[in-house]
Amino acid sequence: NAGVTQTPKFQVLKTGQSMTLQCAQDMNHEYMSWYRQDPGMGLRLIHYSVGAGITDQGEVPNGYNVSRSTTEDFPLRLLSAAPSQTSVYFCASSRQGASQPQHFGDGTRLSIL
Amino acid sequence: KNEVEQSPQNLTAQEGEFITINCSYSVGISALHWLQQHPGGGIVSLFMLSSGKKKHGRLIATINIQEKHSSLHITASHPRDSAVYICAVIGNSGYALNFGKGTSLLVTP
Repeated sequence: NAGVTQTPKFQVLKTGQSMTLQCAQDMNHEYMSWYRQDPGMGLRLIHYSVGAGITDQGEVPNGYNVSRSTTEDFPLRLLSAAPSQTSVYFCASSRQGASQPQHFGDGTRLSIL
Repeated sequence: KNEVEQSPQNLTAQEGEFITINCSYSVGISALHWLQQHPGGGIVSLFMLSSGKKKHGRLIATINIQEKHSSLHITASHPRDSAVYICAVIGNSGYALNFGKGTSLLVTP
């Protein structure tokens, strides 16, 4: 099994550009989430989903959009990239919610110039 | 938000030493995760626990719900244990995790 797959692994954008970070899991997990990791700070939740068609905001949702049209995929969209969104982004999944072991993707390192 | 504090922030140990990493949180929780982030960046779940103690190989995790405190112990540490260890607690909704800033561990030969 591939587990949680994130693409791309690295990306450089210019301010104002938009892009989508992809996240896919093949474990039939209901819960998926997106985090950003910045130096000196813990992982922070951006958005999460408890199942297809259901999403909710986390701690730092501004500037990001998500949708969950299938159980497998949970893309994260940057609407208009800003330098403050330079970060490492992690996608994670679990069977149901945060009270289950979390499976993380390898991360996407994003730089906004 | 449930504030999560980890200590120490950085830790250097010699191979074979017994290591303890601590995690405290401000609001009562139902469960807590310990995660390991390798130097290459990947994050692996080590433990999820809601009471007592769990053991996996040389790793032991304990939690005291009343004292709002958890510890991760590594026995007979090895250079391959060098990583960042992260504590995370479940937020009030049950669907969000609040993370500590991590403890960076370096084990030298």
